[in-house]
Amino acid sequence: SQTIHQWPATLVQPVGSPLSLECTVEGTSNPNLYWYRQAAGRGLQLLFYSVGIGQISSEVPQNLSASRPQDRQFILSSKKLLLSDSGFYLCAWSRSTSGRLNEQFFGPGTRLTVL
Amino acid sequence: QKEVEQDPGPLSVPEGAIVSLNCTYSNSAFQYFMWYRQYSRKGPELLMYTYSSGNKEDGRFTAQVDKSSKYISLFIRDSQPSDSATYLCAMTSHGTSYGKLTFGQGTILTVHP
Repeated sequence: SQTIHQWPATLVQPVGSPLSLECTVEGTSNPNLYWYRQAAGRGLQLLFYSVGIGQISSEVPQNLSASRPQDRQFILSSKKLLLSDSGFYLCAWSRSTSGRLNEQFFGPGTRLTVL
Repeated sequence: QKEVEQDPGPLSVPEGAIVSLNCTYSNSAFQYFMWYRQYSRKGPELLMYTYSSGNKEDGRFTAQVDKSSKYISLFIRDSQPSDSATYLCAMTSHGTSYGKLTFGQGTILTVHP
């Protein structure tokens, strides 16, 4: 069966500090990978998605970046955090079959607080 | 106007009540409609999905899609305290190879004993 991991689970960082959140998927190959942010009382905002190693598409311009160094590893980074970067960050994966529903399966999330 | 609108609630009901959760959308290209359940401080989990218009039933849960009205619903029968969670609707257009989903903002549901 497939499993998705995220770490750390919680993080408190000062403004201006760097960020690195990691997501890994087990039990599947060549998944589509996604980073979402969920602010309090709001829905999920898609930040980045990736259909393969080194292939990153950005949905929302901001001071965050994403990388996919390995097939089942997805990293969210920032060089300098802003207060507005606080939120609940979710990684998700889906099968890479085109032309049909690609159900997305979510990880447990990372709660980031920027002070 | 947001592509997907969902009443954030919160919604509080007694155990055993029938719950109706709803979303409206503006993009007529949407073909797949999903409902996710998210417990506090956890990632969302897929509850149900439907393709195009119609109903789908799974135990106490029924999903309805009315494409003519651009309106989807999730009904929960005999609601239980364990159903207390945030419910998110999500949708996508047919043939989106990377499966981009557009989410509603979620409805917070509390079922009290």
